[in-house]
Amino acid sequence: AQSVTQLGSHVSVSEGALVLLRCNYSSSVPPYLFWYVQYPNQGLQLLLKYTSAATLVKGINGFEAEFKKSETSFHLTKPSAHMSDAAEYFCAVSGLNFGNEKLTFGTGTRLTIIP
Amino acid sequence: GAGVSQSPSNKVTEKGKDVELRCDPISGHTALYWYRQSLGQGLEFLIYFQGNSAPDKSGLPSDRFSAERTGGSVSTLTIQRTQQEDSAVYLCASSSLPAGETQYFGPGTRLLVL
Repeated sequence: AQSVTQLGSHVSVSEGALVLLRCNYSSSVPPYLFWYVQYPNQGLQLLLKYTSAATLVKGINGFEAEFKKSETSFHLTKPSAHMSDAAEYFCAVSGLNFGNEKLTFGTGTRLTIIP
Repeated sequence: GAGVSQSPSNKVTEKGKDVELRCDPISGHTALYWYRQSLGQGLEFLIYFQGNSAPDKSGLPSDRFSAERTGGSVSTLTIQRTQQEDSAVYLCASSSLPAGETQYFGPGTRLLVL
């Protein structure tokens, strides 16, 4: 069984400050890990994904995440927050096995940027 | 190219009525997923189609929910005898194989059951 835990349902950071959104996973097989962003009244957009290549993954809009197997973590970071980063962020996991590609999502973290 | 499209974007219905939600995946994508996003349950998987294989229906919450995918492309999610707890945003996604490929999401259908 797979699961994802996102610590902090709401995170607020000042514009220009570091963004850190936490995600821990549980998976019985080597996972694929994803971060998606959702802007108000829109669908989900992929920020980045880990698929067993480099452990440090760079995504769109200056975001990156590091896969740490020893900590079962895949935290999302951005060095300097912009007002446009305000959105809800979802961490998700899927399995390596064929037929197990469905995504299991965390509960989401709403990011607020303080001017 | 076009992304995943869903229709209608909004649907208001009365309790007990049936509704059909449509998803047009990205052309050439063999995998199609339905998810539901609600305040109480977050984002949850409903059903998964892959090519001609039997769909994975393990996420459907009750037998009032069903889905089909015609010709390996368009999919319809049907909810019979809608209940107020069915109110949610229904999201469709598509991807190509192999596993680990990005799932591209549509804008969703916002369903409100009165």
